[in-house]
Amino acid sequence: QKEVEQNSGPLSVPEGAIASLNCTYSDRGSQSFFWYRQYSGKSPELIMFIYSNGDKEDGRFTAQLNKASQYVSLLIRDSQPSDSATYLCAVINYNQGGKLIFGQGTELSVKP
Amino acid sequence: GAVVSQHPSWVICKSGTSVKIECRSLDFQATTMFWYRQFPKQSLMLMATSNEGSKATYEQGVEKDKFLINHASLTLSTLTVTSAHPEDSSFYICSARGAPYRAGRMAQYFGPGTRLTVL
Repeated sequence: QKEVEQNSGPLSVPEGAIASLNCTYSDRGSQSFFWYRQYSGKSPELIMFIYSNGDKEDGRFTAQLNKASQYVSLLIRDSQPSDSATYLCAVINYNQGGKLIFGQGTELSVKP
Repeated sequence: GAVVSQHPSWVICKSGTSVKIECRSLDFQATTMFWYRQFPKQSLMLMATSNEGSKATYEQGVEKDKFLINHASLTLSTLTVTSAHPEDSSFYICSARGAPYRAGRMAQYFGPGTRLTVL
């Protein structure tokens, strides 16, 4: 079992729709959870981080964390073609070296 | 969010030469910096972790004598690829994390990356 799992996609949604990206992790000691966006040929850009159960909203983005289910998700409302990118889920357990553990990424395509 | 810069953004060099890449945290003090490498269509691969003033910790399989890392200050880390070969051609990305706040919930920010081509 991979430490952090994401559907590789591609996930295709029409412009204006809600894109839902999911991530599960295996280490119950994970303490912080991150979503990065990576455009082709570019470096990852931090979109959201969350460390408490529940929802965290920032503009069109909402991160959801459920530690009991070891599940974290990212919702993108009113999806735009410019949101088309690979979304990386990453988790950290600061008691285990504090390194970001990445999922393989989900490719999102927003169609005009 | 915090800003991390890298220089140069791209470099082309001849086989056998050394290349130095700089990574700077511009608006925060980076107690820990990370160096990643990414080949086309592949995931990020962590090469090493460095804490300011300490020797870098390299991941398994990464040659520490080939990839020299220096983290001399809280805002600057450098990666030197020594005796570069064509197989070292890749996208090198640094990342920085600040001092702990709120019981260690620290965010990690990435630089824009350096594309290295070795001829």
